Amino acid sequence: GAGVSQSPSNKVTEKGKDVELRCDPISGHTALYWYRQSLGQGLEFLIYFQGNSAPDKSGLPSDRFSAERTGGSVSTLTIQRTQQEDSAVYLCASSFDPPGQGSEQYFGPGTRLTVT
Amino acid sequence: QQQVKQSPQSLIVQKGGISIINCAYENTAFDYFPWYQQFPGKGPALLIAIRPDVSEKKEGRFTISFNKSAKQFSLHIMDSQPGDSATYFCAASMGFGGSQGNLIFGKGTKLSVKP
Repeated sequence: GAGVSQSPSNKVTEKGKDVELRCDPISGHTALYWYRQSLGQGLEFLIYFQGNSAPDKSGLPSDRFSAERTGGSVSTLTIQRTQQEDSAVYLCASSFDPPGQGSEQYFGPGTRLTVT
Repeated sequence: QQQVKQSPQSLIVQKGGISIINCAYENTAFDYFPWYQQFPGKGPALLIAIRPDVSEKKEGRFTISFNKSAKQFSLHIMDSQPGDSATYFCAASMGFGGSQGNLIFGKGTKLSVKP
């Protein structure tokens, strides 16, 4: 079956512009995660959606970052007024989480964001 | 504060040898410990995972050893092959026991297997 897909695969933007990154999770997966992978910081958790619950935004680095998940499926990560330190690979993962417990997370290929 | 510490940062092994990567964690509330393999330009792929109620889990050439009292776990790759050359990440989460399913990753180990 299809895995997690992300678009675009690469995005180059100018400092100060807004960008939107898209994630399509595996069909039927209730949980969706965004992570950021950068050379200096490794893999960092950003935000977590589980079903219809309020998202866990505890990993978002600043208020320029936001995400939404529509209809419990597709998610969009938005970065406003991009800065050069936002340059990284943004990874999305999904899992099928029964209530009260987690399960394996499956990652997409990522979106490489470069802020010039 | 780095909650999951991974070593070594890089590792070179001869074909057929054993690759060993180690991780240590701080938070005793962690109850799920996966290992991910990542090739350049790809997302991390789940390799093998363990929960703290067992001390070892083996899948093919890959084995996780888990030491709860020492708060350490390691990945062993037996009969290492050039195709195993990749970056390996250990991780931990409280996902199986609660709602905090986000993974906390180690910094990664770049493995090179020489033919």
